[in-house]
Amino acid sequence: AQSVTQLDSQVPVFEEAPVELRCNYSSSVSVYLFWYVQYPNQGLQLLLKYLSGSTLVKGINGFEAEFNKSQTSFHLRKPSVHISDTAEYFCAVTPTGGGNKLTFGTGTQLKVEL
Amino acid sequence: SQTIHQWPATLVQPVGSPLSLECTVEGTSNPNLYWYRQAAGRGLQLLFYSVGIGQISSEVPQNLSASRPQDRQFILSSKKLLLSDSGFYLCAWSRGQESGNTIYFGEGSWLTVV
Repeated sequence: AQSVTQLDSQVPVFEEAPVELRCNYSSSVSVYLFWYVQYPNQGLQLLLKYLSGSTLVKGINGFEAEFNKSQTSFHLRKPSVHISDTAEYFCAVTPTGGGNKLTFGTGTQLKVEL
Repeated sequence: SQTIHQWPATLVQPVGSPLSLECTVEGTSNPNLYWYRQAAGRGLQLLFYSVGIGQISSEVPQNLSASRPQDRQFILSSKKLLLSDSGFYLCAWSRGQESGNTIYFGEGSWLTVV
């Protein structure tokens, strides 16, 4: 079984400041990793995913994440946030074999302030 | 392009009443289909997934059931709702069963059981 931990339930940050949202996972098998964003009262939208290759993954809206296998982490970063980035962010994993089912973390609410 | 629709967007139901949430996917064939529930502060929990017509796998024991009467239609049901069934329900789809394929989410349905 897999589990995902997002230790920060809320992250306040000022506009144009950098931000890092933390994600750690636990799994006995290899996994693929994902970050999704959810705007208020909407479904989830894929930001980026890591399947293989370079451990630095670039996604939409200027976000990037780095896979660190030794630390079992997949932290999400953005060098300069905008008010429109205010949303909830979910980290998720799925085993590399045996079907395509995501296990999600509990989410991090990013609040960008002026 | 592919689209996913789910309805109704919101509903308020009394305890003990039945439930039917519907989801359809357009622009693709033989998708994997999923129902997730999002409860406050608990992330997203996979309830059901389906790899084909009439093929339903339940991930957690619960008061709900799912059916797939057509290739691109997925229905979440309950005969008698409980207060604990309240939450935000998300339908989703992905291409095939290969792990790592992006899972695309609908806009969600808010269910309040009173």
